[in-house]
Amino acid sequence: GDSVTQMEGPVTLSEEAFLTINCTYTATGYPSLFWYVQYPGEGLQLLLKATKADDKGSNKGFEATYRKETTSFHLEKGSVQVSDSAVYFCALALTGFQKLVFGTGTRLLVSP
Amino acid sequence: EAQVTQNPRYLITVTGKKLTVTCSQNMNHEYMSWYRQDPGLGLRQIYYSMNVEVTDKGDVPEGYKVSRKEKRNFPLILESPSPNQTSLYFCASHGGAAYNEQFFGPGTRLTVL
Repeated sequence: GDSVTQMEGPVTLSEEAFLTINCTYTATGYPSLFWYVQYPGEGLQLLLKATKADDKGSNKGFEATYRKETTSFHLEKGSVQVSDSAVYFCALALTGFQKLVFGTGTRLLVSP
Repeated sequence: EAQVTQNPRYLITVTGKKLTVTCSQNMNHEYMSWYRQDPGLGLRQIYYSMNVEVTDKGDVPEGYKVSRKEKRNFPLILESPSPNQTSLYFCASHGGAAYNEQFFGPGTRLTVL
């Protein structure tokens, strides 16, 4: 079935460090890919998305590229801030389906 | 402001006592879903609705019911809650296409004793 695999956390970084959170997917069709972020005590917010191969989604300094050949959608940021501490979820959605398939989430902790 | 609201935010109850978690959206979205979030499992869909009076099961529907009598509301009903339904619940809505953003409510933390 369709699935999303994310790297286990927590990921602990110092402020201004480079961030990569790996995400790979398995899907029978051509999914849209998403990164959602969950700040403490809050619901999920869309961080960025890509809807077809080679698209790059970007927002707030984060970016991810839809790589069909490696079925990946890795999240990157060049310089993280303390305020980026949150749980990050990779997810996919297939045309005709009405749900998001989520990875297990990766907690990011950024220290000053 | 576009938003999805859920109530209550926190609920502690006992096994077998029926409860309802309400969800409302103000974006005129046709599609609404309920998810539960559990450690190590991410979010899993419980039920979804494609329009008024149209609902269908998601991945983990056992022990839950839903209804969609109005477009804006999508309550989640636990008729006889059990401890394994202790979880964090999210309601979400979206415009209908797979590439659309889903908007999530703030979550309801449910504890069943």
